[in-house]
Amino acid sequence: GAGVSQSPSNKVTEKGKDVELRCDPISGHTALYWYRQSLGQGLEFLIYFQGNSAPDKSGLPSDRFSAERTGGSVSTLTIQRTQQEDSAVYLCASGQGALYNEQFFGPGTRLTVL
Amino acid sequence: SQQGEEDPQALSIQEGENATMNCSYKTSINNLQWYRQNSGRGLVHLILIRSNEREKHSGRLRVTLDTSKKSSSLLITASRAADTASYFCATDDTGANSKLTFGKGITLSVRP
Repeated sequence: GAGVSQSPSNKVTEKGKDVELRCDPISGHTALYWYRQSLGQGLEFLIYFQGNSAPDKSGLPSDRFSAERTGGSVSTLTIQRTQQEDSAVYLCASGQGALYNEQFFGPGTRLTVL
Repeated sequence: SQQGEEDPQALSIQEGENATMNCSYKTSINNLQWYRQNSGRGLVHLILIRSNEREKHSGRLRVTLDTSKKSSSLLITASRAADTASYFCATDDTGANSKLTFGKGITLSVRP
């Protein structure tokens, strides 16, 4: 079946512009996660959606970052007034969110802020 | 600070040798997972070990978990050049509501 997809695969933007990154999770997965990975670094948790519960936003680095998940499926991560330090690969993952959950990752969006 | 910390940070071995990678963590966990990442893009789940398990096998992979030492190891036997990748451990911390905490990863290079 189809895996997690993300778009765009690459995004180059100018400092100060807003960007939207999209994630299509695996159908039926109730949990959706966004992570950020800087060059050569591990994954930094950003936000977690589980079913109809309020999202866990504890990882968002500033109020310029926000995310939505419409209809329990597609999610959009928005970064307003982008800064150069926002440059990274943004990874989305989905899963069942159960006690022994495994996460399925998309290919990521590489964001470059000039 | 990172919950999962892998050791070593980089490992280079000859094809056919075994690769052992270690992960330490700080808090109590529901389970620990290992992921692999090629070329800085999406991660692929390799194996999950529950907190009440001590050892698990999957093909050429063997993972151990010692909750008293808060550590895990991933062993890849008879390594292949195609095993070259970055490997991450991730902990599902109790009370973290299924949110995984990833380490910084280990870069494994397998020389043909």
